[in-house]
Amino acid sequence: QKEVEQNSGPLSVPEGAIASLNCTYSDRGSQSFFWYRQYSGKSPELIMSIYSNGDKEDGRFTAQLNKASQYVSLLIRDSQPSDSATYLCAVKGYNAGNMLTFGGGTRLMVKP
Amino acid sequence: ETGVTQTPRHLVMGMTNKKSLKCEQHLGHNAMYWYKQSAKKPLELMFVYNFKEQTENNSVPSRFSPECPNSSHLFLHLHTLQPEDSALYLCASSQEGYTEAFFGQGTRLTVV
Repeated sequence: QKEVEQNSGPLSVPEGAIASLNCTYSDRGSQSFFWYRQYSGKSPELIMSIYSNGDKEDGRFTAQLNKASQYVSLLIRDSQPSDSATYLCAVKGYNAGNMLTFGGGTRLMVKP
Repeated sequence: ETGVTQTPRHLVMGMTNKKSLKCEQHLGHNAMYWYKQSAKKPLELMFVYNFKEQTENNSVPSRFSPECPNSSHLFLHLHTLQPEDSALYLCASSQEGYTEAFFGQGTRLTVV
């Protein structure tokens, strides 16, 4: 079982819709959760971090964390074509020391 | 000045060459990472340094040799690489603990 799992996609949504990206992780000791956005050929860019159960909102982005279910998600409201990218879930946990473990990423396509 | 700077941005090298990738961070972080990202593949962690000490070597071939002279600089020395080593090499840094990592722009390496 992979430590951090994401559906590779592509996830295709129309412009203006809500895009929902999901991630599950295996290390119950995980404490920190991050979403990165990566455009093709570019380096990952941090867009959200979440540390406690519940929702965290930042503009059009909402991160949701459920530690009991070992599940973290990212919602993008009013999706724009410029949101088309690969979204990487990353987890840092007690058992992993100071190491970020990345999922394989979900490719999002927002169609005009 | 960006937080994490990688040089060069692009590198073409022959299989018998020796070259080095450089990473410098200006964020005061104490952990630095090398990642490899091959075309259409997930991020692969290669090496982790905490306080200049290597804490992770993710079964990386010996033709890749990391060096961390201080907490702000990280090198990846390359020798006798193979064409399959062509990839985007990403450096990242973070503060010890459960905080996020920030990436450099990456070095696009092509081995011919």
